Amino acid sequence: NAGVTQTPKFQVLKTGQSMTLQCAQDMNHEYMSWYRQDPGMGLRLIHYSVGAGITDQGEVPNGYNVSRSTTEDFPLRLLSAAPSQTSVYFCASRAGESYGYTFGSGTRLTVV
Amino acid sequence: KNQVEQSPQSLIILEGKNCTLQCNYTVSPFSNLRWYKQDTGRGPVSLTIMTFSENTKSNGRYTATLDADTKQSSLHITASQLSDSASYICVVWTGGGNKLTFGTGTQLKVEL
Repeated sequence: NAGVTQTPKFQVLKTGQSMTLQCAQDMNHEYMSWYRQDPGMGLRLIHYSVGAGITDQGEVPNGYNVSRSTTEDFPLRLLSAAPSQTSVYFCASRAGESYGYTFGSGTRLTVV
Repeated sequence: KNQVEQSPQSLIILEGKNCTLQCNYTVSPFSNLRWYKQDTGRGPVSLTIMTFSENTKSNGRYTATLDADTKQSSLHITASQLSDSASYICVVWTGGGNKLTFGTGTQLKVEL
């Protein structure tokens, strides 16, 4: 019963570096999303997907790319890391529009 | 602009006591309202989901209420336990796509 698995749990990047945050779910959920959580702010949607091959932008998409080649995986790519991207990133999935989200345990990213 | 406001921002109570957390929203159109519990260093976990027609929903010692007319919701925790120490997040979904609006959460600490 793995649920939503995110890797890595912690990461430090230098400004300008690129990296991919991994997210995998084993519940056959169609909907997957990436959020960032910053102090004093609610979770903000970065990108989301309603199924394999379909992605769309959320509230704060700049500087991030996603792809959804399979139902299980939804990686988030940082193209050129900036200090403003220092945050905790959560991947989440749900079965349908009426269902609650299952969240991963998060990736704490620091960009120096 | 869609907004979800939660109060209080933080709360400290003694173990065994009850407490009530508040959520006011200005989200339109409204589809459902969700309460999540987020332990430190973990992803949010769903507690309750309520649609427009539901006034109350319970999950163990957690009871959520919804007044769609006044656009208010509350989460009541009965007989608090140390493990209830967490951030409680109110989320409103407008329906269609992935339009969730997150509150900033109420940080609850339960002490001996």
